[in-house]
Amino acid sequence: DQQVKQNSPSLSVQEGRISILNCDYTNSMFDYFLWYKKYPAEGPTFLISISSIKDKNEDGRFTVFLNKSAKHLSLHIVPSQPGDSAVYFCAASVGWTGANNLFFGTGTRLTVIP
Amino acid sequence: NAGVTQTPKFRILKIGQSMTLQCAQDMNHNYMYWYRQDPGMGLKLIYYSVGAGITDKGEVPNGYNVSRSTTEDFPLRLELAAPSQTSVYFCASSYPQEQETQYFGPGTRLLVL
Repeated sequence: DQQVKQNSPSLSVQEGRISILNCDYTNSMFDYFLWYKKYPAEGPTFLISISSIKDKNEDGRFTVFLNKSAKHLSLHIVPSQPGDSAVYFCAASVGWTGANNLFFGTGTRLTVIP
Repeated sequence: NAGVTQTPKFRILKIGQSMTLQCAQDMNHNYMYWYRQDPGMGLKLIYYSVGAGITDKGEVPNGYNVSRSTTEDFPLRLELAAPSQTSVYFCASSYPQEQETQYFGPGTRLLVL
C-alpha cells in the first residue's frame, strides 16, 4: 500500500519556466515531508523539507508547499534549469518513533528543455 | 570525505547464489539503512541500524540479513538469490537527530537470473 503517491511519472518544462511537482499522501499522521533529487547512477540527495506546522518553505529556487487538509504537497522550481533534470522523490515521516519511518513516493522524472 | 560508498556497482547472480553488498560511510553517522528500489516504485526499507551491534527489520526484510560490527560498515547479505530480488539497492546513513536527512550511496544494481 503506497502511502505516498506521485501520480505523474514524468514532467517536461522549458528552461526558465516554473516546474511544479506534486505529491499526495494518505496517512494523516505524517508530520514531516521531504523532497529528494536523484541523478542517473547516483543515490538520492536531500533537497528540501517542510514540517507540518508550516505551509511553505523556501530555499533559493526551490519552494515546497504543504496543504494538510488536502494531504498534498508540491515542489516548485523557479526558474527551471537544465541541471534540474532528474528524478524527484517525495518522502514523508511520522514523527520519529524510530529510524524506520521514511516513506517514499515512486518519483517524477523532470526534464528541463534548453 | 567519500560519504557513503557501495560495492559492487552492478552484479549478475544465478538463482540460489549468495552475495554480500558492501556499504561504508565516513561521516560517523550512527544510523544506517538499506533500501531497494524496484522499477516504477518508491524506495522500500529492508533493514536499518541505529548503531554498532544493533539492527532491525524494515518493511521488506525477507531474504536478506545484515550485520553492523562497526560504525562505518553495514553489509547486506543475500543468502539464496531469487528473481524477485532483482532491484537497485541503496545504502544510506544519517545522524540520530537528523534521521529524515539521509545521505545515500550510488546504489548497487542486482540482476538475478
